[in-house]
Amino acid sequence: DTEVTQTPKHLVMGMTNKKSLKCEQHMGHRAMYWYKQKAKKPPELMFVYSYEKLSINESVPSRFSPECPNSSLLNLHLHALQPEDSALYLCASSQVAAGTGSGKLFFGSGTQLSVL
Amino acid sequence: SQQGEEDPQALSIQEGENATMNCSYKTSINNLQWYRQNSGRGLVHLILIRSNEREKHSGRLRVTLDTSKKSSSLLITASRAADTASYFCATDGKGAQKLVFGQGTRLTINP
Repeated sequence: DTEVTQTPKHLVMGMTNKKSLKCEQHMGHRAMYWYKQKAKKPPELMFVYSYEKLSINESVPSRFSPECPNSSLLNLHLHALQPEDSALYLCASSQVAAGTGSGKLFFGSGTQLSVL
Repeated sequence: SQQGEEDPQALSIQEGENATMNCSYKTSINNLQWYRQNSGRGLVHLILIRSNEREKHSGRLRVTLDTSKKSSSLLITASRAADTASYFCATDGKGAQKLVFGQGTRLTINP
């Protein structure tokens, strides 16, 4: 199984809502990532988990809260988002964390988020 | 910033022609990777070239790396309509602990 599965595929939420994005991989990868991507822009790193511990937070606002319950799962909890947070949210995994000379990232298909 | 710059930003060619995309970066790297993204979808890894390698091939893809110029190129030969996508380079910087993506090239293959 070389898939990274993200749910939901689409999400529309109001600014007062609380929602969660979910990501799952069963490749035994020990690094997992959240990226945010605006239209026609490159993915921007938000968070990195390495061996289930948060290793990088790219100064992301606290209305985004990541969680790594176990080595296969990664969640992104959303609360009080702003319309400018509308974007494609991508989850990825790799065998070990980048920066160690590691290999490729496997990406999920993303969650297209619209904040009204 | 470690972020790579790619050129051209957009490229439109006829099916069967070759497509070349370039990427420049700023800091020392462990490796450089190329990814493809179809509209609104996740990224798919194409090829990885390590800092001590100069050229790598995979099917119709050829990647070169010049660490002295901090640049890489991706050549797609005999392009097909299915190659229409955005292509991103990504650098795995030494000590950076993260993969950083370039701005991307939007490639359109016209039938």
